[in-house]
Amino acid sequence: DAKTTQPNSMESNEEEPVHLPCNHSTISGTDYIHWYRQLPSQGPEYVIHGLTSNVNNRMASLAIAEDRKSSTLILHRATLRDAAVYYCAHHIIQGAQKLVFGQGTRLTINP
Amino acid sequence: DAGITQSPRHKVTETGTPVTLRCHQTENHRYMYWYRQDPGHGLRLIHYSYGVKDTDKGEVSDGYSVSRSKTEDFLLTLESATSSQTSVYFCAISAGTGSSGANVLTFGAGSRLTVL
Repeated sequence: DAKTTQPNSMESNEEEPVHLPCNHSTISGTDYIHWYRQLPSQGPEYVIHGLTSNVNNRMASLAIAEDRKSSTLILHRATLRDAAVYYCAHHIIQGAQKLVFGQGTRLTINP
Repeated sequence: DAGITQSPRHKVTETGTPVTLRCHQTENHRYMYWYRQDPGHGLRLIHYSYGVKDTDKGEVSDGYSVSRSKTEDFLLTLESATSSQTSVYFCAISAGTGSSGANVLTFGAGSRLTVL
């Protein structure tokens, strides 16, 4: 079965870049990589996704390794509001579509 | 909040009692999912639905059943609740793979279930 692994926690300082890693060594060639984040007492929310190329949006950037076995979510300039649990996920396209999540990384931002 | 609501938001029940959680959407999305969230395990898929009366098991489906009799509602039932089912349950919806290739999920606010 598809599996993603992430560090349990990371810490960074405000206004500095943050690189959140994810390993997905069992990903298939058609699976998309998704990232979601969960603020305290809320449901997860979508951040970004990609297949092979690096992706940018207003929230973050996604860097995908050439072999696609790992990816990195990049917050270019962290703010205190970015403190959350960040989840990496596979989007499994084969059959009925579903997302399989990793265990998440709790990001702490220091002022 | 993107037209997805979960009920109840909080429930305390006793071991052996049946429990039903409801997910309601107003987006007319095809896909609906139930996840549970536990410390150290992240989000784990319980069951999902890809259409009315079309459902399938996820990675932790034992002890749970689901039903989807209409597009807008997806029910999760614990026939006989156990303490190991104490968790936060999240419903999610999606329209499926769009032009971007992504099956972007929108999550509800969660239902906290405590089984004593």
